[in-house]
Amino acid sequence: GEDVEQSLFLSVREGDSSVINCTYTDSSSTYLYWYKQEPGAGLQLLTYIFSNMDMKQDQRLTVLLNKKDKHLSLRIADTQTGDSAIYFCAESFDTDKLIFGTGTRLQVFP
Amino acid sequence: DAGVIQSPRHEVTEMGQEVTLRCKPISGHDYLFWYRQTMMRGLELLIYFNNNVPIDDSGMPEDRFSAKMPNASFSTLKIQPSEPRDSAVYFCASGRLSGAGETQYFGPGTRLLVL
Repeated sequence: GEDVEQSLFLSVREGDSSVINCTYTDSSSTYLYWYKQEPGAGLQLLTYIFSNMDMKQDQRLTVLLNKKDKHLSLRIADTQTGDSAIYFCAESFDTDKLIFGTGTRLQVFP
Repeated sequence: DAGVIQSPRHEVTEMGQEVTLRCKPISGHDYLFWYRQTMMRGLELLIYFNNNVPIDDSGMPEDRFSAKMPNASFSTLKIQPSEPRDSAVYFCASGRLSGAGETQYFGPGTRLLVL
């Protein structure tokens, strides 16, 4: 089945690391994505990882993939107030469409 | 590139009226997606096209909703007649298969309020 789950909220202090988690049910996913949605805007692709990788790092962002547990995480180092947004994980497999998670609202406080 | 363009950005209408949302995808993208986002239901895929042909419309709520893509640079989502429960943000996204799989680029959305 196609189901992507995330926790709804995360609150962190500025300068700390944020870890946003995602679980998915389809083990045949080929790519997994993280999108960011700022208030009043559309979703913006942050990063992606191919399913044969365990980790991908891109500046302050680190993506970890545990295929055995079907668990994906996004770590944001040195979280800033500008990182406050809703973060969506998404998976794609053999079809052309993405299955999005429920989104995690990240709030960064000073 | 200007990105995905949607119009109008905001629409307020009365129940029973026809609503038409418009989308111009990024040039060269052969996929186009229509999504709806609400607090209660999150992000829902309504329909998507490949090379202007509808591929999957299983997410379209009911017959009041219709979508067309007459050419590679334009798509519409129409609601007729509109109802208050259609109030939501409607996103259009375009994409193409690449080495990063299916990467989608979202427009800014149309905020629809049906009174």
